[in-house]
Amino acid sequence: AQSVSQHNHHVILSEAASLELGCNYSYGGTVNLFWYVQYPGQHLQLLLKYFSGDPLVKGIKGFEAEFIKSKFSFNLRKPSVQWSDTAEYFCAVKRAGTASKLTFGTGTRLQVTL
Amino acid sequence: DVKVTQSSRYLVKRTGEKVFLECVQDMDHENMFWYRQDPGLGLRLIYFSYDVKMKEKGDIPEGYSVSREKKERFSLILESASTNQTSMYLCATWTGISYEQYFGPGTRLTVT
Repeated sequence: AQSVSQHNHHVILSEAASLELGCNYSYGGTVNLFWYVQYPGQHLQLLLKYFSGDPLVKGIKGFEAEFIKSKFSFNLRKPSVQWSDTAEYFCAVKRAGTASKLTFGTGTRLQVTL
Repeated sequence: DVKVTQSSRYLVKRTGEKVFLECVQDMDHENMFWYRQDPGLGLRLIYFSYDVKMKEKGDIPEGYSVSREKKERFSLILESASTNQTSMYLCATWTGISYEQYFGPGTRLTVT
């Protein structure tokens, strides 16, 4: 079965530190990849997505992610985090050519301290 | 602007009760989804629907059923609530235009 792994469960960073959250998937075919964010008390919203083309994708709020097909990875990065980035981050995978069903990772809780 | 609404933000029910969670979207999207979100487990798909009266089981359908009589409304039903169904329930829709899922605010269900 297809699975999505997020190895960092809880990350604590100081403001201005750089961020990298890992995401690996197990499916060998063509995939579409997503990062969603859930701020405290708010609903999930899309940060960025990859469908094809340039493997480095840029999203909202200064986030970016790089798709490395050989490593089955789609890691999320931000050069300098802010306190307002405190949230839970979810990676998700959709198999291309299938319906709109996403498989989500277990999430990474990011806490940014002042 | 995309809007997915869920009938309740918080719900407390007793073991054995039949529970209905409602989700309404105003975007004419065909695909709708129900997930449950639990700490350390992420989002797990319960059921999804491609169109009116069409549904498919997700990864954890046991103890749940769904109903989609109208395109805009997708209901999750807990036939006989149990304490292990205490969770956050999220509804989502999919748009083939921007290729993303849109989520509702969630319903936090507690079964006592």
